[in-house]
Amino acid sequence: DGGITQSPKYLFRKEGQNVTLSCEQNLNHDAMYWYRQDPGQGLRLIYYSQIVNDFQKGDIAEGYSVSREKKESFPLTVTSAQKNPTAFYLCASSIDWSGGRNEQFFGPGTRLTVL
Amino acid sequence: AQKVTQAQTEISVVEKEDVTLDCVYETRDTTYYLFWYKQPPSGELVFLIRRNSFDEQNEISGRYSWNFQKSTSSFNFTITASQVVDSAVYFCALSDSGSARQLTFGSGTQLTVLP
Repeated sequence: DGGITQSPKYLFRKEGQNVTLSCEQNLNHDAMYWYRQDPGQGLRLIYYSQIVNDFQKGDIAEGYSVSREKKESFPLTVTSAQKNPTAFYLCASSIDWSGGRNEQFFGPGTRLTVL
Repeated sequence: AQKVTQAQTEISVVEKEDVTLDCVYETRDTTYYLFWYKQPPSGELVFLIRRNSFDEQNEISGRYSWNFQKSTSSFNFTITASQVVDSAVYFCALSDSGSARQLTFGSGTQLTVLP
């Protein structure tokens, strides 16, 4: 089955710790994205990558970092510099960037809680 | 600046009723794309439809229909004969040059269909 997997489903972090959220896709998509969702709000873009070895900051990149060493993988690190990291994190991919006209396919999400 | 407004935070209907979810957008572009996504309780967003700014034709897919009106900057979504399985959060999103062609999401509408 083709799709996007995210792990873990739930993640608990102590203050001051860095954590890495995994996102893998086997759809052969060029573009990948990370979003943050807070209760009662829409999704906000953290980082995106249009192609391997390249990524761009989104609207709320502060306190986060990413890498795109392989086409199928786009891990997100939530650093201790992120002041309020408790949220639901969604990874997505699209076949390519194409000026933003392609639909994005989403993973099941990771719920991060800071203790 | 680009913006998507979903003024209806929550809607409750009884099964078999029709329901319309409103979406109003702001953009300075003449070329842009609009999307609707569904987020069931599991959390994963599911793509429903994409519409480009040059195509104002309304679309129907089974019980779902979409009304795109550039004159009022609206892209409304109607579910006919609603079912309990339609209960979810629905997001409208816009892709235009103001956001580097990334998605700007509305805050979502929580639809609850009661049996």
